Amino acid sequence: GEDVEQSLFLSVREGDSSVINCTYTDSSSTYLYWYKQEPGAGLQLLTYIFSNMDMKQDQRLTVLLNKKDKHLSLRIADTQTGDSAIYFCAEGGGYNKLIFGAGTRLAVHP
Amino acid sequence: GAVVSQHPSRVICKSGTSVKIECRSLDFQATTMFWYRQFPKKSLMLMATSNEGSKATYEQGVEKDKFLINHASLTLSTLTVTSAHPEDSSFYICSAHPTQGNEQFFGPGTRLTVL
Repeated sequence: GEDVEQSLFLSVREGDSSVINCTYTDSSSTYLYWYKQEPGAGLQLLTYIFSNMDMKQDQRLTVLLNKKDKHLSLRIADTQTGDSAIYFCAEGGGYNKLIFGAGTRLAVHP
Repeated sequence: GAVVSQHPSRVICKSGTSVKIECRSLDFQATTMFWYRQFPKKSLMLMATSNEGSKATYEQGVEKDKFLINHASLTLSTLTVTSAHPEDSSFYICSAHPTQGNEQFFGPGTRLTVL
């Protein structure tokens, strides 16, 4: 069945780059998403990538998609303390349900 | 941008009572709304898909008589947790899908605590 996996925790130093990885199983997914969740809050869409793309850049965020390996990554350049949050990748799109990974908790330390 | 609200943001209730949570799309119409449940330090689990004017589609393992969903208009869906028990305590999040576009917009969530 559909499944999305992520590493659970990442710790980085302020100013460094963060790379959060995700693998998924449904090769028919049209879009893949990255969401950010701050404590006690809902989800904020950070970025998404169409399945026929292999890279998308949006300011400090770079998404890489390896469709052959079903691997998605999110790179945050110049990570700041305000980036500390849980990051979820999700597959799906349109009116289809989203399948979320367990979330990667990003901790940014000085 | 598209905004989705949820009300209430927090609710505490006694075991055996029912609780209604509202999800509203404030500046767009949503044919489809989704209800998720999130356990502490866990991912979001899709509970059901709510389509305006029709019955909700529940995911496997979700009791439809326990979690009543009504999507009476293009801007409002409600989730009623009936005869709530402490194990129903959780963070409930809704999302709304505009009639056009490929993005779901999420509400801020409702923290339910059942005593």
